[in-house]
Amino acid sequence: VLTQSPATLSLSPGERATLSCRAGHSVGTFVAWYQQKPGQAPRLLFYDASKRAAGIPARFSASGSGTDFTLTISSLGPEDFAVYYCHERINWPFTFGPGTTVDMK
Amino acid sequence: VQLVESGGGLVKPGESLRLSCATSGFTFSGHYMGWVRQAPGKGLEWVSYISQSGLNIDYADSVKGRFTTSRDNTKNSLFLQMTNLRVEDTAIYYCAKEAPRAYGDLESWGQGTMVTVSS
Repeated sequence: VLTQSPATLSLSPGERATLSCRAGHSVGTFVAWYQQKPGQAPRLLFYDASKRAAGIPARFSASGSGTDFTLTISSLGPEDFAVYYCHERINWPFTFGPGTTVDMK
Repeated sequence: VQLVESGGGLVKPGESLRLSCATSGFTFSGHYMGWVRQAPGKGLEWVSYISQSGLNIDYADSVKGRFTTSRDNTKNSLFLQMTNLRVEDTAIYYCAKEAPRAYGDLESWGQGTMVTVSS
């Protein structure tokens, strides 16, 4: 089971966003992060805890191992306001976290 | 890479529906494919994951015995046969392609097709 905190993060453009994902048991580095905007499909941001997917801007970074993972957006752009899901693939059934909504203050 | 789902619609509880996912722009037969769904206003939930050959398929407990995933590598297409549909199966259904060297992560997604189960 994955938990994400906070559930909602209210920030202004240019601010730093730090999102947390915690697993109930060790998942190694088999964690990914997805971004989803309203009306759109999810987009893969990171896989294997910290490997940036193709086309993801450098202001996004991710880290972690074991049970604790972090997604950081160094300076929020207007296009970054979205829901972010972590995901683990240690064993089937793979699971998504409940998501963190980053909205504009 | 393109993935285009079709086949969604409004059905009654207990009825069946078959979703399709037409793909292009990559070597379909070389990749695991998955179905993920999202109930209205809710988070993401895995439905199934199918190997390149179609011989290995994992299902979420919530759909096991009711849904069947298959693929046609000659037509670059993925399918989801849904039977005995329940109200709680109402969701957008996405098909997605695995990320390279990251079994279980999904690199490319379709736009989704809506399935509504209601009496």
